[in-house]
Amino acid sequence: GNSVTQMEGPVTLSEEAFLTINCTYTATGYPSLFWYVQYPGEGLQLLLKATKADDKGSNKGFEATYRKETTSFHLEKGSVQVSDSAVYFCALSVRSSNTGKLIFGQGTTLQVKP
Amino acid sequence: GAGVSQSPRYKVAKRGQDVALRCDPISGHVSLFWYQQALGQGPEFLTYFQNEAQLDKSGLPSDRFFAERPEGSVSTLKIQRTQQEDSAVYLCASMTIDTQYFGPGTRLTVL
Repeated sequence: GNSVTQMEGPVTLSEEAFLTINCTYTATGYPSLFWYVQYPGEGLQLLLKATKADDKGSNKGFEATYRKETTSFHLEKGSVQVSDSAVYFCALSVRSSNTGKLIFGQGTTLQVKP
Repeated sequence: GAGVSQSPRYKVAKRGQDVALRCDPISGHVSLFWYQQALGQGPEFLTYFQNEAQLDKSGLPSDRFFAERPEGSVSTLKIQRTQQEDSAVYLCASMTIDTQYFGPGTRLTVL
């Protein structure tokens, strides 16, 4: 079946530190991969995506590369800010039949301290 | 433009009550999804509509859960005879191309 596994949180970093949140997946077919972010008190927002192997998604200083050989889509940022504190979800979507439903990981809480 | 909206934002129900949760998708989006997010977990798929057709309801946890989208726009998720295990945030998303846009969710608490 299809599944997503994320590193467990919480992840606590100081401002300007380097961030990596690991995400690996299992999928039948060729998935699209996503990172969503949920800020405190807000809904899920798309952060970045990649639709095929070796694609790199990027947004707001965050990056993730679709690695088919390691079935991974790790999220990175070179210098985190306090405002990046949120819950991050890795997700995949496999087009089959008539649905593109998302399958999410359990989420990783990031806390950035000044 | 306006995003996905959901109402109510919060709902408290007594065990055994019926509830109805509303989703207004982004105008023109054909595809609509419902997800359930338990506390501390990632969202889990419930059901999917393409226009008014419910094409996938494999994630609905029991026959107490029912969803509709009669005119291919607004959707309603109904839960009959609510149980405590139904307490969760219910998320609606509408999709264009391959990107889903989420509403703020309805937090349901069943006492």
